[in-house]
Amino acid sequence: GENVEQHPSTLSVQEGDSAVIKCTYSDSASNYFPWYKQELGKGPQLIIDIRSNVGEKKDQRIAVTLNKTAKHFSLHITETQPEDSAVYFCAANGARTSGTYKYIFGTGTRLKVLA
Amino acid sequence: SAVISQKPSRDICQRGTSLTIQCQVDSQVTMMFWYRQQPGQSLTLIATANQGSEATYESGFVIDKFPISRPNLTFSTLTVSNMSPEDSSIYLCSALSGLSTDTQYFGPGTRLTVL
Repeated sequence: GENVEQHPSTLSVQEGDSAVIKCTYSDSASNYFPWYKQELGKGPQLIIDIRSNVGEKKDQRIAVTLNKTAKHFSLHITETQPEDSAVYFCAANGARTSGTYKYIFGTGTRLKVLA
Repeated sequence: SAVISQKPSRDICQRGTSLTIQCQVDSQVTMMFWYRQQPGQSLTLIATANQGSEATYESGFVIDKFPISRPNLTFSTLTVSNMSPEDSSIYLCSALSGLSTDTQYFGPGTRLTVL
């Protein structure tokens, strides 16, 4: 079935360093890949997304890259700050048979930025 | 983006009782969803709330346990019926933005504890 693997499960970086989170999806029909940040006690917040017709997208300190051939995509956060500490989830939209509006979520990465 | 609110934000309930969670979106949206997020885990889709018709449930979730209503394009409810401690979880509502058929926005969640 459809699956999204996410690594690492936890990540600690020093403030100012970069953080990279990687996801691999199984269904080649997936064409939309959002990333969410979830702070403690809050709902997931969309931070960036990418579609399959684009290889990279950047928004200030956050970037996402997509390799369709390898079926993986990554979140890059540069110049990390303590407020970047949160759980990050990747997702891929579902295949046509299950509904392209449905998401399959990764297992999450707990990022800690050490001051 | 759609702004989504949920009520209640949290509740503590007794075994065997039911709780209804409300989800309100600030604009008309095409689709609404209900997710469950168990402590420290990823998001699992419970069902798609369909306006004017029965919800579409994912494998492992049934209408008798999680009845859902969606009387209009901005509002939905999820009821957790005959609760047991295993139902302790965060329940999240999401909606597809009217401007995009792919992007989901999430509510803040309802933290449910069943004693």
